[in-house]
Amino acid sequence: KAGVTQTPRYLIKTRGQQVTLSCSPISGHRSVSWYQQTPGQGLQFLFEYFSETQRNKGNFPGRFSGRQFSNSRSEMNVSTLELGDSALYLCASSPNSGLAGFIEQYFGPGTRLTVT
Amino acid sequence: AQSVTQPDIHITVSEGASLELRCNYSYGATPYLFWYVQSPGQGLQLLLKYFSGDTLVQGIKGFEAEFKRSQSSFNLRKPSVHWSDAAEYFCAVAAFGNEKLTFGTGTRLTIIP
Repeated sequence: KAGVTQTPRYLIKTRGQQVTLSCSPISGHRSVSWYQQTPGQGLQFLFEYFSETQRNKGNFPGRFSGRQFSNSRSEMNVSTLELGDSALYLCASSPNSGLAGFIEQYFGPGTRLTVT
Repeated sequence: AQSVTQPDIHITVSEGASLELRCNYSYGATPYLFWYVQSPGQGLQLLLKYFSGDTLVQGIKGFEAEFKRSQSSFNLRKPSVHWSDAAEYFCAVAAFGNEKLTFGTGTRLTIIP
């Protein structure tokens, strides 16, 4: 079974631009969660989508948004990029949502976003 | 709000020695507790989890952890480390009523020959 894939793996953008990151979950998984990892703030939960609906959201500004498609693939969008958005963005997939989902959650390799 | 503390930023151990990584959590309800490992340039891999039952849980790669409610701790242990265990380790917590995974700041493990 193929793992969680994220594209692109590396990205360089300029302040003020917007960016879209993609995550393809493991086949059969309906939940996709997104996390931001930075040296200063560590790993922080962004949001979770399950069956195309956002189930949970972390404490991030509205510039961060996401969506999930009917095939469970998910995209994350960041508008008006700031230098502080430079981070490793990880997505994780699971068959279930919430607590039940965390028990069997698999992470992708991440997308490294650099904002200059 | 729930929180996780990993007091050790960096630990160095000799190959073959035993290992214990500390994790303390703060939350009133029974937590769901996890340990993840991250190798350089990689995503996270789930080592083990606790949500009910036996408080001593076994994970992959020879790791185990013990949930101690009285100490609000979930320390990760391994009896004999291998050079391939060098990585960063994260403790995480979630619970009913706050179903967001909250991570500790991580402990970087270095193995010396």
